[in-house]
Amino acid sequence: KTQVEQSPQSLVVRQGENCVLQCNYSVTPDNHLRWFKQDTGKGLVSLTVLVDQKDKTSNGRYSATLDKDAKHSTLHITATLLDDTATYICVVADRGSALGRLHFGAGTQLIVIP
Amino acid sequence: DTTVKQNPRYKLARVGKPVNLICSQTMNHDTMYWYQKKPNQAPKLLLFYYDKILNREADTFEKFQSSRPNNSFCSLYIGSAGLEYSAMYLCASSRWGGPSGNTLYFGEGSRLIVV
Repeated sequence: KTQVEQSPQSLVVRQGENCVLQCNYSVTPDNHLRWFKQDTGKGLVSLTVLVDQKDKTSNGRYSATLDKDAKHSTLHITATLLDDTATYICVVADRGSALGRLHFGAGTQLIVIP
Repeated sequence: DTTVKQNPRYKLARVGKPVNLICSQTMNHDTMYWYQKKPNQAPKLLLFYYDKILNREADTFEKFQSSRPNNSFCSLYIGSAGLEYSAMYLCASSRWGGPSGNTLYFGEGSRLIVV
């Protein structure tokens, strides 16, 4: 059973618009959650990590929230650029240590058009 | 500056009292570690912080707390010291090295004596 669900599956926005990506999960325990960006044919690049019960982070045009009670996270991208076209992957870790398992979502494919 | 600084260098505590040890580094390392060293024993990893994520070893999970308010500082907190906590506490930091491993930079240690 999929433990990390991302929505939407794909999203098309115009350059300059804002968008919100959703991640719902059922992983227990949920130590931390990380959002990655994956450009086509390239590796994962970490955008942000969320740790606290109710956490918020900000990294440039990327901001994210986590609510562990609801087991829900959002990734906000403001003023999108063409370079934001990529797949965004939500990953939930059930422990903080290297012994933990990482649970990957299937990703949201974001396409930014001029 | 590649030094890791620890405070205090020496701490005398009574049984049952709390102890707080401080560590700082200015190398912008993303990982900070706490080890316990007793005479004639190898250092024992107690916990480490990778970024904001605390990782505690299973057998010391309940005995030690830690906080990392920012990238440069990391504390080790003992809520109620017992005689068995008497030891040298070593702080270290590193950049998470992945496959190439990590170079650890150690502080000079904080010697805790519990009486």
